[in-house]
Order: sequence, then structure tokens, then C-alpha cells
Amino acid sequence: KQEVTQIPAALSVPEGENLVLNCSFTDSAIYNLQWFRQDPGKGLTSLLLIQSSQREQTSGRLNASLDKSSGRSTLYIAASQPGDSATYLCAPLKTSYDKVIFGPGTSLSVIP
Amino acid sequence: ETGVTQTPRHLVMGMTNKKSLKCEQHLGHNAMYWYKQSAKKPLELMFVYNFKEQTENNSVPSRFSPECPNSSHLFLHLHTLQPEDSALYLCASSQGGRPRDYGYTFGSGTRLTVV
Repeated sequence: KQEVTQIPAALSVPEGENLVLNCSFTDSAIYNLQWFRQDPGKGLTSLLLIQSSQREQTSGRLNASLDKSSGRSTLYIAASQPGDSATYLCAPLKTSYDKVIFGPGTSLSVIP
Repeated sequence: ETGVTQTPRHLVMGMTNKKSLKCEQHLGHNAMYWYKQSAKKPLELMFVYNFKEQTENNSVPSRFSPECPNSSHLFLHLHTLQPEDSALYLCASSQGGRPRDYGYTFGSGTRLTVV
């Protein structure tokens, strides 16, 4: 059974710092991996979908990488801003719906 | 808005009430999902509808009853709930009937409180 961990569980940084969020998964037989952002009490907003053939995907200040063989993905946030404060979740995507396990998330706080 | 709309945003109901949650998407997606998110717990898949057919019922108690009248609408009917059912209920959809290729699109959720 797929297990997904995200490290760190919580992170507090001053504004302007570059930071890295980590996602690890035990079952490397995935197709793609999706990163989400969740604001308190709200739904999940898709940030990036990394296809396994791409290994890396960029959107603005966000860059996500995927290494299937090692079961790891990282989300890099450049020049963090207070508006980036949220919980970030990863989801390694497989064929079957019930095999998609969402990570527990990293709670990010960017201090002005 | 994300393209997936959920109503209501907040719901408070007594244990003997009957209520329904609604989800609507006009993204042309063929699969729709209900997820439950409790405090300090990961997302839990509840139900999956693929091309209007229920393909997954993840051992959800019968007090939760889903309905999918068409590919654009999904309901979750609630009756005789328990306080531990209080949670954020999220609806999601995916293109082509599976999330592996294009990922999920989520709604904003319904915050349910059972009193």
C-alpha cells in the first residue's frame, strides 16, 4: 500500500527566503505527481502536475521535480511571500482512484 | 472559482436532520469524487463516479448516500449523522475518467458540523 510522507510537517520562514518542501512515497509505480495548495478551511488548488517523463515542472516562482526511482518529489518556492502561507500537499497519481494517497501536507507560514 | 462549485460552503445540522451537499462542474470531466478531510488527518476517499456509474465505495457508512444524475453534478445525501462526521467534505473531478493523466480539480469544500 502506498505511503506518502511530507517533510517538514510545518515550516516558518521570513519573507524572501527560498524554500524546499519534500514529498516521499513508497510505491514508485506511479504515472504522475500533483502538488496542491490548501488555505485554511478551503479546498485544494492545483499548483503543478509533473508527468513522469518530464521530471520537472515550473510555474512562476514554483518549481517541482520528480524522481520516481527514489520515490521523491520536491517543491521549490523562490522568494517566498506572506501570501504563500498555506498547507502544501502532494499526491502521487496511479491508475486506480483508490490507490491515490494524498500526503499529510506541509504547513507553511511566511512571516512578513 | 476552480471550475468545481460546492454548495453550501458551511452546514450545521442536528443528528436527526437530513441534508444534501451539492457539487457541480462544467469542465467536461467524466469522473467525480467525494473526499472527507477531518482535522489532522489525510484526505479520505469516499465515493467515485466514473461516467455516472459508481465505481468506488470506500467502506463508507450508509448514512452517507451519493447520487450522480449526470456527469456534471454530484450530490451527497446525509441523514442521522454523528458528531464524528463533522469535517470538510471536498468534491473533485478529473478528465477522462481517471486522475493519473491530468490530475484532480477540487471544489472549495463544505464545512459540515454535526451537533
